[in-house]
Amino acid sequence: QLQLQESGPGLVKPSETLSLTCTVSGGSINNRNYYWGWIRQPPGKGLEWIGTIYYSESTYYSPSLKSRVTISVDTSKKQFSLKLSSVTAADTAVYYCARHVGYDYVRGSYRLPSEYYYYYMDVWGKGTAVTVSS
Amino acid sequence: QSVLTQPPSVSGAPGQRVTISCTGSSSNIGAGYDVHWYQQLPGTAPKLLIYGNNNRPSGVPERFSGSKSGTSASLAISGLQAEDEFDYYCQSYDSSLSGWLFGGGTKLTVL
Repeated sequence: QLQLQESGPGLVKPSETLSLTCTVSGGSINNRNYYWGWIRQPPGKGLEWIGTIYYSESTYYSPSLKSRVTISVDTSKKQFSLKLSSVTAADTAVYYCARHVGYDYVRGSYRLPSEYYYYYMDVWGKGTAVTVSS
Repeated sequence: QSVLTQPPSVSGAPGQRVTISCTGSSSNIGAGYDVHWYQQLPGTAPKLLIYGNNNRPSGVPERFSGSKSGTSASLAISGLQAEDEFDYYCQSYDSSLSGWLFGGGTKLTVL
């Protein structure tokens, strides 16, 4: 059963770069049926999508974070990573990594990767808390 | 601010049926993109509850159901139980944002 585990510093100074890694175990990161993404949740607030990557080929970023975000994949290590630059206290949150999948119940098959807009997050990591503070 | 609008809270007595709405626009739900629902206990990771508007992953009780019409979607929970007290989030895709988005979340209280 596929599992995801986030790792990285729990404390980052303002103006520095937040770097997190998500390690995939119990399954393949190379499966072209899946996208891989990052979502965060500030304390006491809702979920916010950060960005998503497909097989090192395509990346999608939240417009509000796009200028500061980079997501990459290292298939040899079965990991994908998040870098968020110039952080402020507003970036304090629990950061989750998640697998995106698009299963068409009616057709009984996975949607094409080009139909990513139908995808949802079916497997989540447990999350890692990151505080931005000096 | 989320472009998928959910009520901050809903409540119901055990055994009752409650619904949680998720109101979008022509660039997301109204554009035909699927709506998915997640269940989250504060401090833990979200869990997929409904995918593709009205489909339940294996292990999710039949008491949970989803629907979509126009620019809105709903999650219905029948036979409400105390253990249903979670935060619930809807999620879809938005063509204007060119990305995935979540509703603001709804806290369910079982009276």
